Amino acid sequence: DAKTTQPPSMDCAEGRAANLPCNHSTISGNEYVYWYRQIHSQGPQYIIHGLKNNETNEMASLIITEDRKSSTLILPHATLRDTAVYYCIVRVGAPGNYGQNFVFGPGTRLSVLP
Amino acid sequence: EAGVAQSPRYKIIEKRQSVAFWCNPISGHATLYWYQQILGQGPKLLIQFQNNGVVDDSQLPKDRFSAERLKGVDSTLKIQPAKLEDSAVYLCASSLAPYLGYTFGSGTRLTVV
Repeated sequence: DAKTTQPPSMDCAEGRAANLPCNHSTISGNEYVYWYRQIHSQGPQYIIHGLKNNETNEMASLIITEDRKSSTLILPHATLRDTAVYYCIVRVGAPGNYGQNFVFGPGTRLSVLP
Repeated sequence: EAGVAQSPRYKIIEKRQSVAFWCNPISGHATLYWYQQILGQGPKLLIQFQNNGVVDDSQLPKDRFSAERLKGVDSTLKIQPAKLEDSAVYLCASSLAPYLGYTFGSGTRLTVV
C-alpha cells in the first residue's frame, strides 16, 4: 500500500505557482520522498526527490517539513503542459536495497486552467 | 539518451487469447520493471528484474502472466489466456540501480473484449 496521502484533485491558474501537498506521517529515517507526474497517455516522469533538505531543479522545488511528515511540490509558474497526475512516493533510497520499489497511490490530478 | 521503448502501442484481443509485450530499456540500465496501470489508478508493480534475474514477482499472477529478460537487456511480458480484467496499460521502466529513479516507457494499452 502507498505510504502517502494526497488530495485527489487540484486546480491552478496558468502562470501561478502550483503547490501540491503530500502527507507521509509514517516515513522512516532512511526513506526519501519522490515525486513523479504522468501526463495523459504517457508513462510517469521523474520530477524530484529529497531526504531532509529542500531541493530545487529545473522542473520544481520540493519543500520537506522539519519533522519530515509532509512535503509540498511547487511548480513555480504552472503552464497548461503541467496538467497531469502527480504522485508522491516514499521509499528507501540506499544503495544495494533490492525489493523497495515505487508504490504508486492514486496521486493528485492537477488541472492548470487558462 | 534514447528512452525506454515499448511495443506495440495498442493491442485489442479477445478474452482467452494470448498477447505479448516487448520492452527495450535504456542502454546500461541493469534494473527493469513491468507495471500494470488500470484506468483511474496508479501503476502497480508486476515484476522486477536485476540484469536477467527476477528480484520481485510477488504481485505477478503467475497462472496467466509470465515475463523474461534474456541476456539482461530486452524483456517480454506475456499474458495467456487473457481475461477482461487484464485491460490496462502495461508500463515498462528501467533504472541504473534499484535505489535510483526510474525512466518509464509510454506503455502498451491492452483492451480485452
